[in-house]
Formats: sequence, C-alpha cells, structure tokens
Amino acid sequence: EVQLLESGGGLARPGGSLRLSCTASGFTFSSYMMTWVRQFPGKGLEWVSAISGSGGHTFYADSVKGRFTISRDNSQNTLYLHLNNLSADDTASYFCARDRFCSATSCYRDKLLFDPRGQGALVTVSS
Amino acid sequence: DIQMTQSPSSLSASLGDRVTISCQANQDISNFLNWYQQKPGRAPKLLIYGASTLETGVPSRFSGSGSGTYFTFTISSLQPEDIATYFCQQYDYLPLTFGGGTKVEIK
Repeated sequence: EVQLLESGGGLARPGGSLRLSCTASGFTFSSYMMTWVRQFPGKGLEWVSAISGSGGHTFYADSVKGRFTISRDNSQNTLYLHLNNLSADDTASYFCARDRFCSATSCYRDKLLFDPRGQGALVTVSS
Repeated sequence: DIQMTQSPSSLSASLGDRVTISCQANQDISNFLNWYQQKPGRAPKLLIYGASTLETGVPSRFSGSGSGTYFTFTISSLQPEDIATYFCQQYDYLPLTFGGGTKVEIK
C-alpha cells in the first residue's frame, strides 16, 4: 500500500524559504518519478515539479522555475521541495504523489497516486 | 500546456441518482486521464486511471469513459459517502494539468 507523508509546511515571510519533505513507503521508491502538486485556497490544483527515479532529471512549472528546487534521497525514501523567494501566490497545501514508473533509461506514463489519508503540507506566505 | 475544462463546477443530486461529469482537453491526450475524489482537508484519491480503468478497491458504481479530447465520469447510484469534489487530470504531457473540479452535493 502506497503511503506518502508530507511535512515541513508553515508560515513564511515574503521572500523567505521553506523545505518540504515527503516520506514514502509501500513501493520501490527509486523506481518512480515523484511529483509535487499544490492546491490553492480556492481549491484549484496545480502541478509544481517532478523528479525522475534516479534524481537525474527535474521538471518545474513556469510559476516556480528558478525559485523552487526538487530533490530526493533514495536511500531514505524521501522527496524534498525547497521553496525560495516565496510570495503570497505560493500560499497553498502541497501534496506529493507517486508519478510514472522509471526504468534505467526511460520513464513511462503512469497513474498519479496521492495518499488520500494525507493532509499535505500547508504553506502560508504572509508578512 | 494542455487545458482541461471540467463541467459542471457543482451539482446537486438525490441519493441513488446517476451523476455524470465531463472533462474536455484542448488537444488529444489519448486515454491518459485520471479521475480523483477529494474530501475536505485530504489529498485526492485516485478512482479511475487510463480514462476507464477502476483503481483497486474503488466501488464499481464509479466509471469513466472517453478518449482523445472528451471524457466522462459517472456515479451510477449516488451514495452519502460520495459527497466530495471530483477532478480530472491529464498525464499525457508535462506539465500535468487538472480540471477545475466538480463539487457534488446532496439535494
């Protein structure tokens, strides 16, 4: 059973930084691309960033490129998102999800799986 | 980016009713479409992937159909525990994109 637990949210000032973590279990972590998705207070969902199984390839939404950094530690089954230069527009709940399966050479389209027991990591940016 | 247009944004139905939600992509995404159920304060729960495949453990009253650019999601007989917001999401191309959501309420 896939389990994903987000942590690290909180209150940050505009221009500030936070680091989110996502601890995974129930699957072979290094074999899957992992993704961060955020949900704004108005309830819309936005894809934020993804990282390949090996960590060698990263992808970002235009809205966060240059400010957020995704990384992973496969030895600890943990995914990270470093949020820098935060603005009020980044206020949201951040969810991690298991994304596509990755072989040694390629990643293959696959269902995006959240853990519905999780509440996400709430990030509030306010002065 | 692929735009996903979901309708309606909300609906009110009676217990036992058949409920249908539609989702349209602005370009062909084959069958790379997921449907999720989300309850307040929780992450989305995957119900349908590949446009029509029921995720393990999901009740059979939920179903999905479509391919290309037009997709539908159906609850055959609305139950009290189905009160939630439902989202479609394409996974053909990055960035992954979501529909705006449909809030389902009991009449």
